[in-house]
Amino acid sequence: GAVVSQHPSRVICKSGTSVKIECRSLDFQATTMFWYRQFPKQSLMLMATSNEGSKATYEQGVEKDKFLINHASLTLSTLTVTSAHPEDSSFYICSAPPQGRVREGPDTQYFGPGTRLTVL
Amino acid sequence: ELKVEQNPLFLSMQEGKNYTIYCNYSTTSDRLYWYRQDPGKSLESLFVLLSNGAVKQEGRLMASLDTKARLSTLHITAAVHDLSATYFCAVSQGGSEKLVFGKGTKLTVNP
Repeated sequence: GAVVSQHPSRVICKSGTSVKIECRSLDFQATTMFWYRQFPKQSLMLMATSNEGSKATYEQGVEKDKFLINHASLTLSTLTVTSAHPEDSSFYICSAPPQGRVREGPDTQYFGPGTRLTVL
Repeated sequence: ELKVEQNPLFLSMQEGKNYTIYCNYSTTSDRLYWYRQDPGKSLESLFVLLSNGAVKQEGRLMASLDTKARLSTLHITAAVHDLSATYFCAVSQGGSEKLVFGKGTKLTVNP
């Protein structure tokens, strides 16, 4: 079936550094990808919509200068957490609705395995 | 603004028992999803419900959708320990693929 991968799966960094997280669709094209954040024992909150070839659209309250999104190709979106602080520690999950014939069912949306970010 | 409410948030049940998780949403939507999440893991898709009256079943889980009441249910039949996980419902926003999630129901099935 269709697969979405994320890299790295886990990252620990010092406060003030920037961290890049990659989201790849492995066997399908995705003109749109979504980035979610999940704090411990909480639900998923949509951060932004990544659009191939154009600017990302951010949800209310999400700082676009802090969470930089680049959707450079039809299979890759990157989320860069700039000048990370401990409050940015979270589980970041991307998702992608596939284009074309790959869909296994109506409106399937595939989630990546997630990236756990810990900022010290 | 679309809001999604799940209840209960915590559910502890014995093996062999039946129970239902409820998911209410505040505005009209054309798609409702149920996901399972194990600790430290990402989401596993369980069901996608598209129309009023839709019912889908997979093993011991059955999901239904009432779009008029803006309510979906996830029914667990004869629970087993392997079903222990957190279950989320999610609703798509206004024809887009953006999802609004409920807070999740942490299910614990005890032997």
